[in-house]
Amino acid sequence: GESVGLHLPTLSVQEGDNSIINCAYSNSASDYFIWYKQESGKGPQFIIDIRSNMDKRQGQRVTVLLNKTVKHLSLQIAATQPGDSAVYFCAENGEEAGRRALTFGSGTRLQVQP
Amino acid sequence: NAGVMQNPRHLVRRRGQEARLRCSPMKGHSHVYWYRQLPEEGLKFMVYLQKENIIDESGMPKERFSAEFPKEGPSILRIQQVVRGDSAAYFCASSPPTTGDEKLFFGSGTQLSVL
Repeated sequence: GESVGLHLPTLSVQEGDNSIINCAYSNSASDYFIWYKQESGKGPQFIIDIRSNMDKRQGQRVTVLLNKTVKHLSLQIAATQPGDSAVYFCAENGEEAGRRALTFGSGTRLQVQP
Repeated sequence: NAGVMQNPRHLVRRRGQEARLRCSPMKGHSHVYWYRQLPEEGLKFMVYLQKENIIDESGMPKERFSAEFPKEGPSILRIQQVVRGDSAAYFCASSPPTTGDEKLFFGSGTQLSVL
């Protein structure tokens, strides 16, 4: 079911540390997953994506890990910077719109302490 | 190469008025999606359109809400007789016509406030 009106979980890290943001997805039929970053007052911004035939994918300072057995996705950010402070959403191509649209998770707020 | 353009950025309406939200997809994109976001929550799918066709509107309320994506011009999300509960951020996203690239590109959103 949907969670309504709950505050976002918050991850607070020190500048320079590594961050790990976790996400549990719901649909075992999903075969495409994506992480977005959303800064205050802005739209979601693509970070990295991964298909279900992979369990790890690396980008610049970011790594996404996929565990299909337990339907778990994580985003690792290396050497976290103040500019990384934002809300992070995972999304999957679940059932919506014939799997063209993305189904979003509820998000995690990342706060980077200088 | 302009991204997804939404306007207005902020829209204030009184209860009972109509709200029109506009979205121009990225160049070359023919698929448009509308999402709604309440504070401290994730984005909720509303409707998926291609040029001149509504493909899936399963996430859109049955009454007062409608969407279109005409052959020429932007996609429009229309909310009639707005109520306070319609206050939210409305995001538009677009994707290219070919399958295989499922990444959605989002606009900056329209913040609708109903007084």
